[in-house]
Amino acid sequence: DGGITQSPKYLFRKEGQNVTLSCEQNLNHDAMYWYRQDPGQGLRLIYYSQIVNDFQKGDIAEGYSVSREKKESFPLTVTSAQKNPTAFYLCASSTGGGSYEQYFGPGTRLTVT
Amino acid sequence: AQSVAQPEDQVNVAEGNPLTVKCTYSVSGNPYLFWYVQYPNRGLQFLLKYITGDNLVKGSYGFEAEFNKSQTSFHLKKPSALVSDSALYFCAVRYDGGATNKLIFGTGTLLAVQP
Repeated sequence: DGGITQSPKYLFRKEGQNVTLSCEQNLNHDAMYWYRQDPGQGLRLIYYSQIVNDFQKGDIAEGYSVSREKKESFPLTVTSAQKNPTAFYLCASSTGGGSYEQYFGPGTRLTVT
Repeated sequence: AQSVAQPEDQVNVAEGNPLTVKCTYSVSGNPYLFWYVQYPNRGLQFLLKYITGDNLVKGSYGFEAEFNKSQTSFHLKKPSALVSDSALYFCAVRYDGGATNKLIFGTGTLLAVQP
Protein backbone atom coordinates (compact mmCIF):
# COMPACT_ATOMS: atom_id res chain seq x y z
CA ASP A 1 0.00 0.00 0.00
CA GLY A 2 3.05 2.25 -0.31
CA GLY A 3 3.12 5.71 1.18
CA ILE A 4 -0.61 6.31 1.17
CA THR A 5 -2.57 6.08 4.39
CA GLN A 6 -6.30 6.07 4.84
CA SER A 7 -8.08 6.33 8.14
CA PRO A 8 -10.01 4.87 9.70
CA LYS A 9 -10.06 1.35 8.26
CA TYR A 10 -13.67 0.82 9.34
CA LEU A 11 -16.24 3.56 9.86
CA PHE A 12 -19.82 3.33 11.03
CA ARG A 13 -22.34 6.16 10.78
CA LYS A 14 -26.02 6.74 11.14
CA GLU A 15 -28.05 7.75 8.12
CA GLY A 16 -28.25 11.52 7.73
CA GLN A 17 -24.78 12.25 9.10
CA ASN A 18 -21.91 13.61 7.06
CA VAL A 19 -18.63 11.73 7.41
CA THR A 20 -15.09 12.59 6.28
CA LEU A 21 -12.58 9.99 5.13
CA SER A 22 -8.90 10.81 5.41
CA CYS A 23 -6.26 10.23 2.74
CA GLU A 24 -2.61 11.24 3.16
CA GLN A 25 0.38 10.51 0.92
CA ASN A 26 4.10 11.05 1.41
CA LEU A 27 5.08 10.13 -2.15
CA ASN A 28 5.22 13.76 -3.34
CA HIS A 29 2.62 12.92 -5.97
CA ASP A 30 0.76 15.74 -7.64
CA ALA A 31 -2.43 13.88 -8.50
CA MET A 32 -4.84 12.18 -6.10
CA TYR A 33 -8.04 10.22 -6.65
CA TRP A 34 -11.03 8.84 -4.77
CA TYR A 35 -12.78 5.66 -5.87
CA ARG A 36 -15.76 3.76 -4.62
CA GLN A 37 -15.79 -0.03 -4.85
CA ASP A 38 -18.96 -2.10 -4.76
CA PRO A 39 -19.15 -5.86 -5.32
CA GLY A 40 -19.28 -6.75 -9.00
CA GLN A 41 -18.89 -3.14 -10.18
CA GLY A 42 -15.18 -2.59 -10.07
CA LEU A 43 -13.88 0.84 -9.12
CA ARG A 44 -15.76 4.02 -9.94
CA LEU A 45 -14.10 7.44 -9.82
CA ILE A 46 -15.65 9.95 -7.42
CA TYR A 47 -13.29 12.94 -7.55
CA TYR A 48 -9.74 13.61 -8.63
CA SER A 49 -7.23 16.39 -8.16
CA GLN A 50 -4.23 17.07 -10.37
CA ILE A 51 -2.80 19.90 -8.28
CA VAL A 52 -3.30 21.67 -4.98
CA ASN A 53 -6.44 23.82 -4.75
CA ASP A 54 -7.95 22.21 -7.83
CA PHE A 55 -10.18 19.16 -8.25
CA GLN A 56 -12.68 17.75 -10.73
CA LYS A 57 -15.74 15.55 -10.51
CA GLY A 58 -15.45 11.96 -11.57
CA ASP A 59 -18.21 9.67 -12.74
CA ILE A 60 -20.18 9.49 -9.48
CA ALA A 61 -19.56 12.77 -7.63
CA GLU A 62 -23.13 13.38 -6.48
CA GLY A 63 -23.39 13.34 -2.69
CA TYR A 64 -19.64 13.69 -2.17
CA SER A 65 -17.28 16.63 -1.65
CA VAL A 66 -13.49 17.01 -1.47
CA SER A 67 -10.80 19.56 -0.75
CA ARG A 68 -7.13 19.77 -1.70
CA GLU A 69 -5.52 22.39 0.49
CA LYS A 70 -2.22 20.54 0.78
CA LYS A 71 -0.34 18.35 -1.66
CA GLU A 72 -0.25 15.47 0.82
CA SER A 73 -3.92 15.43 1.75
CA PHE A 74 -7.17 14.80 -0.13
CA PRO A 75 -10.07 14.23 2.29
CA LEU A 76 -13.43 12.97 1.05
CA THR A 77 -16.72 13.94 2.70
CA VAL A 78 -19.68 11.65 2.23
CA THR A 79 -22.72 13.83 2.72
CA SER A 80 -26.24 12.92 3.73
CA ALA A 81 -27.23 13.52 0.10
CA GLN A 82 -25.43 10.35 -0.99
CA LYS A 83 -28.25 7.85 -1.28
CA ASN A 84 -26.26 4.66 -0.90
CA PRO A 85 -23.04 5.48 0.95
CA THR A 86 -22.17 2.03 2.29
CA ALA A 87 -19.13 0.92 0.29
CA PHE A 88 -15.36 0.43 0.29
CA TYR A 89 -13.57 3.70 -0.46
CA LEU A 90 -10.10 3.78 -2.00
CA CYS A 91 -7.73 6.69 -2.33
CA ALA A 92 -4.92 6.71 -4.88
CA SER A 93 -2.17 8.98 -6.13
CA SER A 94 0.05 9.28 -9.18
CA THR A 95 3.08 11.30 -10.17
CA GLY A 96 1.89 12.59 -13.49
CA GLY A 97 4.59 12.82 -16.11
CA GLY A 98 5.34 9.54 -17.86
CA SER A 99 4.57 7.02 -15.13
CA TYR A 100 0.76 6.92 -15.38
CA GLU A 101 0.17 4.16 -12.83
CA GLN A 102 -1.70 4.94 -9.65
CA TYR A 103 -0.78 3.79 -6.16
CA PHE A 104 -3.52 2.92 -3.72
CA GLY A 105 -4.11 3.24 -0.02
CA PRO A 106 -5.51 0.39 2.10
CA GLY A 107 -9.09 1.63 1.89
CA THR A 108 -11.86 2.62 4.30
CA ARG A 109 -14.98 0.50 4.66
CA LEU A 110 -17.92 2.77 5.43
CA THR A 111 -21.15 1.34 6.77
CA VAL A 112 -24.18 3.60 7.12
CA THR A 113 -27.26 2.31 8.92
CA ALA B 1 -15.56 6.18 -25.29
CA GLN B 2 -12.85 4.23 -23.56
CA SER B 3 -13.75 1.00 -21.85
CA VAL B 4 -12.23 -2.17 -20.53
CA ALA B 5 -13.89 -5.56 -20.19
CA GLN B 6 -13.02 -8.57 -18.09
CA PRO B 7 -15.27 -11.29 -19.46
CA GLU B 8 -14.77 -13.78 -16.63
CA ASP B 9 -16.06 -13.11 -13.14
CA GLN B 10 -13.99 -16.00 -11.81
CA VAL B 11 -11.12 -18.15 -13.00
CA ASN B 12 -10.29 -21.44 -11.31
CA VAL B 13 -6.91 -23.08 -11.75
CA ALA B 14 -4.95 -25.80 -9.99
CA GLU B 15 -1.70 -24.92 -8.27
CA GLY B 16 1.24 -25.38 -10.61
CA ASN B 17 -0.83 -24.93 -13.76
CA PRO B 18 -0.56 -21.88 -16.00
CA LEU B 19 -3.15 -19.17 -15.51
CA THR B 20 -4.68 -16.56 -17.79
CA VAL B 21 -6.96 -13.70 -16.79
CA LYS B 22 -8.53 -12.02 -19.78
CA CYS B 23 -8.93 -8.33 -20.56
CA THR B 24 -10.09 -6.51 -23.67
CA TYR B 25 -10.14 -2.77 -24.19
CA SER B 26 -11.54 -0.03 -26.35
CA VAL B 27 -9.73 3.31 -26.75
CA SER B 28 -9.64 5.98 -29.40
CA GLY B 29 -5.88 6.59 -29.21
CA ASN B 30 -2.85 4.63 -28.05
CA PRO B 31 -3.74 2.27 -25.21
CA TYR B 32 -2.03 2.62 -21.85
CA LEU B 33 -2.93 -0.59 -20.01
CA PHE B 34 -2.50 -1.77 -16.43
CA TRP B 35 -3.07 -4.76 -14.19
CA TYR B 36 -3.71 -4.54 -10.47
CA VAL B 37 -4.29 -7.17 -7.78
CA GLN B 38 -6.44 -6.80 -4.68
CA TYR B 39 -6.38 -9.04 -1.63
CA PRO B 40 -9.44 -9.10 0.68
CA ASN B 41 -10.10 -5.79 2.45
CA ARG B 42 -6.94 -4.25 1.03
CA GLY B 43 -6.08 -1.61 -1.52
CA LEU B 44 -5.02 -2.39 -5.07
CA GLN B 45 -1.41 -3.28 -5.81
CA PHE B 46 0.14 -2.40 -9.15
CA LEU B 47 1.38 -5.45 -11.09
CA LEU B 48 2.45 -4.20 -14.51
CA LYS B 49 1.73 -1.82 -17.34
CA TYR B 50 1.97 -1.50 -21.10
CA ILE B 51 2.73 1.93 -22.50
CA THR B 52 4.76 1.18 -25.60
CA GLY B 53 7.42 -1.23 -26.83
CA ASP B 54 7.59 -5.00 -26.40
CA ASN B 55 4.19 -6.67 -26.48
CA LEU B 56 5.13 -9.00 -23.63
CA VAL B 57 5.34 -7.09 -20.37
CA LYS B 58 6.82 -8.60 -17.22
CA GLY B 59 5.67 -7.50 -13.80
CA SER B 60 5.67 -8.32 -10.12
CA TYR B 61 5.35 -11.79 -8.53
CA GLY B 62 6.11 -13.63 -11.79
CA PHE B 63 3.15 -12.20 -13.69
CA GLU B 64 3.32 -11.09 -17.31
CA ALA B 65 0.83 -9.73 -19.80
CA GLU B 66 0.63 -9.86 -23.55
CA PHE B 67 -0.54 -6.83 -25.49
CA ASN B 68 -2.33 -7.74 -28.73
CA LYS B 69 -3.31 -4.72 -30.76
CA SER B 70 -5.28 -6.59 -33.43
CA GLN B 71 -7.41 -8.34 -30.83
CA THR B 72 -7.46 -5.31 -28.49
CA SER B 73 -6.52 -7.57 -25.61
CA PHE B 74 -4.15 -7.43 -22.66
CA HIS B 75 -4.36 -10.82 -20.97
CA LEU B 76 -2.57 -11.45 -17.68
CA LYS B 77 -0.57 -14.67 -17.47
CA LYS B 78 1.59 -16.69 -15.13
CA PRO B 79 3.35 -19.95 -16.05
CA SER B 80 2.75 -21.67 -12.71
CA ALA B 81 0.00 -20.60 -10.32
CA LEU B 82 0.40 -20.45 -6.55
CA VAL B 83 -2.33 -20.70 -3.95
CA SER B 84 -1.16 -17.28 -2.74
CA ASP B 85 -2.08 -15.82 -6.15
CA SER B 86 -5.75 -16.19 -5.22
CA ALA B 87 -7.13 -12.66 -5.27
CA LEU B 88 -9.20 -10.19 -7.27
CA TYR B 89 -7.52 -8.89 -10.43
CA PHE B 90 -8.36 -5.66 -12.19
CA CYS B 91 -7.46 -4.54 -15.68
CA ALA B 92 -7.43 -0.78 -16.34
CA VAL B 93 -6.93 1.60 -19.25
CA ARG B 94 -5.78 5.18 -19.03
CA TYR B 95 -8.36 7.75 -20.01
CA ASP B 96 -7.06 9.28 -23.25
CA GLY B 97 -9.15 12.43 -23.24
CA GLY B 98 -6.52 14.77 -21.89
CA ALA B 99 -3.49 15.24 -19.72
CA THR B 100 -4.82 13.45 -16.65
CA ASN B 101 -3.84 10.00 -15.46
CA LYS B 102 -7.42 8.91 -14.84
CA LEU B 103 -7.90 5.18 -15.14
CA ILE B 104 -10.96 3.23 -16.19
CA PHE B 105 -11.20 -0.12 -14.44
CA GLY B 106 -12.80 -3.38 -15.42
CA THR B 107 -15.18 -5.12 -13.06
CA GLY B 108 -12.54 -7.52 -11.81
CA THR B 109 -11.84 -11.24 -12.08
CA LEU B 110 -11.61 -13.41 -9.01
CA LEU B 111 -8.75 -15.90 -9.34
CA ALA B 112 -9.05 -19.03 -7.25
CA VAL B 113 -6.04 -21.34 -7.16
CA GLN B 114 -6.77 -24.76 -5.71
CA PRO B 115 -4.00 -26.69 -3.92
